[in-house]
Amino acid sequence: GENVEQHPSTLSVQEGDSAVIKCTYSDSASNYFPWYKQELGKGPQLIIDIRSNVGEKKDQRIAVTLNKTAKHFSLHITETQPEDSAVYFCAVGGTSYGKLTFGQGTILTVHP
Amino acid sequence: DADVTQTPRNRITKTGKRIMLECSQTKGHDRMYWYRQDPGLGLQLIYYSFDVKDINKGEISDGYSVSRQAQAKFSLSLESAIPNQTALYFCATSEGMEGLTSGELFFGEGSRLTVL
Repeated sequence: GENVEQHPSTLSVQEGDSAVIKCTYSDSASNYFPWYKQELGKGPQLIIDIRSNVGEKKDQRIAVTLNKTAKHFSLHITETQPEDSAVYFCAVGGTSYGKLTFGQGTILTVHP
Repeated sequence: DADVTQTPRNRITKTGKRIMLECSQTKGHDRMYWYRQDPGLGLQLIYYSFDVKDINKGEISDGYSVSRQAQAKFSLSLESAIPNQTALYFCATSEGMEGLTSGELFFGEGSRLTVL
């Protein structure tokens, strides 16, 4: 089955800095790459996603880039704010109808 | 009110007890999922259902069973709970997507289960 590796497991930045989280996957047939944000005591919530026919997608301060050849994709958060502090999960889908395989999660802490 | 509601939110039980976690949704989605979250392991799929008559095992189904009572209701059971089933459990829903394999998951707020 699909194997997803996410790095780093923890990331600490100063407010205003950029943060980058990277995921690699194993199945070249995968075609859907979402990122979820989980705040304390809440369920994960989709923040951005990308499909394999697109190399980059932006939404205000967040962006996702995809390199299908190398089988990795990354989440970029610019101008970080304390409210960006959360656990971020990457996920991969597309080879099994409707199912997602999640990465291990990254705890992002943004210091004021 | 939340679109995906899980009950109970917290439960402490003893080894060998039967436990049921319930999930109900008002999103009108056909697809429902149960995930387990452990620190450092991300979210692992336990079971999923694409409609009322459809039940499928996920990555870690051993020791668990599910029931899809209606389009809006999907329950997870632990027939005989053991300590290593202590975890945070999430129910999720998604739309069926023609021509596309995956779409956005909508998660409940989680059920924290502790097995002593």
